[in-house]
Amino acid sequence: DAGVIQSPRHEVTEMGQEVTLRCKPISGHNSLFWYRQTMMRGLELLIYFNNNVPIDDSGMPEDRFSAKMPNASFSTLKIQPSEPRDSAVYFCASSYQGATGQPQHFGDGTRLSIL
Amino acid sequence: GQNIDQPTEMTATEGAIVQINCTYQTSGFNGLFWYQQHAGEAPTFLSYNVLDGLEEKGRFSSFLSRSKGYSYLLLKELQMKDSASYLCAPRGNSGYALNFGKGTSLLVTP
Repeated sequence: DAGVIQSPRHEVTEMGQEVTLRCKPISGHNSLFWYRQTMMRGLELLIYFNNNVPIDDSGMPEDRFSAKMPNASFSTLKIQPSEPRDSAVYFCASSYQGATGQPQHFGDGTRLSIL
Repeated sequence: GQNIDQPTEMTATEGAIVQINCTYQTSGFNGLFWYQQHAGEAPTFLSYNVLDGLEEKGRFSSFLSRSKGYSYLLLKELQMKDSASYLCAPRGNSGYALNFGKGTSLLVTP
């Protein structure tokens, strides 16, 4: 079975540029999560969707960050304009919420470097 | 909000047993997950506890005490490949989101 698929795997860009990260969740999963991981702050939840609807975006750092989920099989996280402090690994995860204890399955992440 | 506390680093010897502790404070409680993350890779699910007690899964076991806000992950017969970061993730009552601790970096030595 295909897992969570993220693209690109690596992104290096200059500050001020727009960055778009993409995620395809596991088929049949109804919840999708975006995380950011840095050495200083660990793994932080940015936003999560349930049935394509954003439920909690309190972790989104500021207005430069936005996320969409136009359908059950695709989500994007956009940073515009990007800044060096946005450099991190961004993970997407999905799960089926409807039964107790269903774990989140993570994609391989996007390693983002803003110069 | 949620407060999660784990040791930053631990070292153990191949073949030994190690216990990684996690204390937490959550707004409500709806289960606790443990994840393993090798360097440069994604977190992978290890275990889930929602009731008090010990859940055993092969070489790995996880314990939960809800009244104490405490969990531990027990790794037996350590192997070199167990060198990784171990993340404790309790879930409160604010939907399905998890909040992760900063993780415990475990180094297994020969």
